[in-house]
Amino acid sequence: SQQGEEDPQALSIQEGENATMNCSYKTSINNLQWYRQNSGRGLVHLILIRSNEREKHSGRLRVTLDTSKKSSSLLITASRAADTASYFCASSNFGNEKLTFGTGTRLTIIP
Amino acid sequence: DTGVSQNPRHKITKRGQNVTFRCDPISEHNRLYWYRQTLGQGPEFLTYFQNEAQLEKSRLLSDRFSAERPKGSFSTLEIQRTEQGDSAMYLCASTIAPGYDEKLFFGSGTQLSVL
Repeated sequence: SQQGEEDPQALSIQEGENATMNCSYKTSINNLQWYRQNSGRGLVHLILIRSNEREKHSGRLRVTLDTSKKSSSLLITASRAADTASYFCASSNFGNEKLTFGTGTRLTIIP
Repeated sequence: DTGVSQNPRHKITKRGQNVTFRCDPISEHNRLYWYRQTLGQGPEFLTYFQNEAQLEKSRLLSDRFSAERPKGSFSTLEIQRTEQGDSAMYLCASTIAPGYDEKLFFGSGTQLSVL
């Protein structure tokens, strides 16, 4: 079974608005990553945050991590039509060599 | 370097037939993963290789599934006696390991439809 659960499952916003997606996980993690997937394509890595970090930025992306709540959020600022995609969080655990993916948030940017 | 390559992109087969997918990872990557993804879900781990050694297999990988990575380069995933429940996107990813901070580079996947 998948470790991560994402919220919301689907999100539609106007171009230019900010989009926030949340991810919860169940066990202690080594790091948490976010990936984007365009329809029918493979996943593309966006950003990684380590378990000892609380916030990280990359361009229009901002990721937060709260290990006490076992949750993370991804904020995309000033959204663009090209941001329309599914977004997945994925975590790796200590002693475990694989990434476990969440169920994803389907983001639609309305021009 | 053109990234991770998967072939074929699409495969339609009849129930009971065998199918084989190929993945060519990024050349210097020593670790290779196979994931399966069904519509509306996130990728589910199937198996991974460190060089040519298969180090872990998911319980999702029944005895009808076999994966190889001869010489630690490309990998193949074979499904024998396909079932309709095998219909999914099969994703391959590669990275450099060991270490826990390596991001995965994914191929575009092979979409399998079992009729």
